[in-house]
Amino acid sequence: NAGVTQTPKFRILKIGQSMTLQCTQDMNHNYMYWYRQDPGMGLKLIYYSVGAGITDKGEVPNGYNVSRSTTEDFPLRLELAAPSQTSVYFCASTVSAPGELFFGEGSRLTVL
Amino acid sequence: AQSVTQPDIHITVSEGASLELRCNYSYGATPYLFWYVQSPGQGLQLLLKYFSGDTLVQGIKGFEAEFKRSQSSFNLRKPSVHWSDAAEYFCAVGFSGGGADGLTFGKGTHLIIQP
Repeated sequence: NAGVTQTPKFRILKIGQSMTLQCTQDMNHNYMYWYRQDPGMGLKLIYYSVGAGITDKGEVPNGYNVSRSTTEDFPLRLELAAPSQTSVYFCASTVSAPGELFFGEGSRLTVL
Repeated sequence: AQSVTQPDIHITVSEGASLELRCNYSYGATPYLFWYVQSPGQGLQLLLKYFSGDTLVQGIKGFEAEFKRSQSSFNLRKPSVHWSDAAEYFCAVGFSGGGADGLTFGKGTHLIIQP
């Protein structure tokens, strides 16, 4: 009964470092999404994928990259971390679009 | 581009009182509407959704919402709030034929429950 699992839950990065946020789902959903949440701003879409091998940019893709080699996994890579990337990141999936999104518990990232 | 407006950033309600959270969306196509709740430090949990049919939908935890096409609104209601309802509430919208780029979220309403 795992659903959408994100790791790590918390991470502190120094400016210029890189890291990957992991996301995996066990519901066989084709559609997967990465959002970032900033206080008072709601959720903004970073990248999304409609299936293995297919990804596309969302509203705020700069500074991020994604890949989708399997149906289950959708990692988000941050290259050259900047303070503006301090945020809470949520991975979500759905069986069809538009449809109910199933969210992970989030990854809180701080860039100092 | 589609957008969602939640006009109230914060709402304070006494425990046992009724609640209404407002949500308005823009765009002309048939909307798919959602309300999510987020407790501190947690992910988002679906409260209810509307795709078609009866415009009054029931959700979990005693919440309901009514879709009013003429007002482009999907307001969330609860007749009697409990202290455990204190959380952040997000309205979201998607559109059939609008592409696969997920849902558009409002900025959220922070609900505070007074004892």
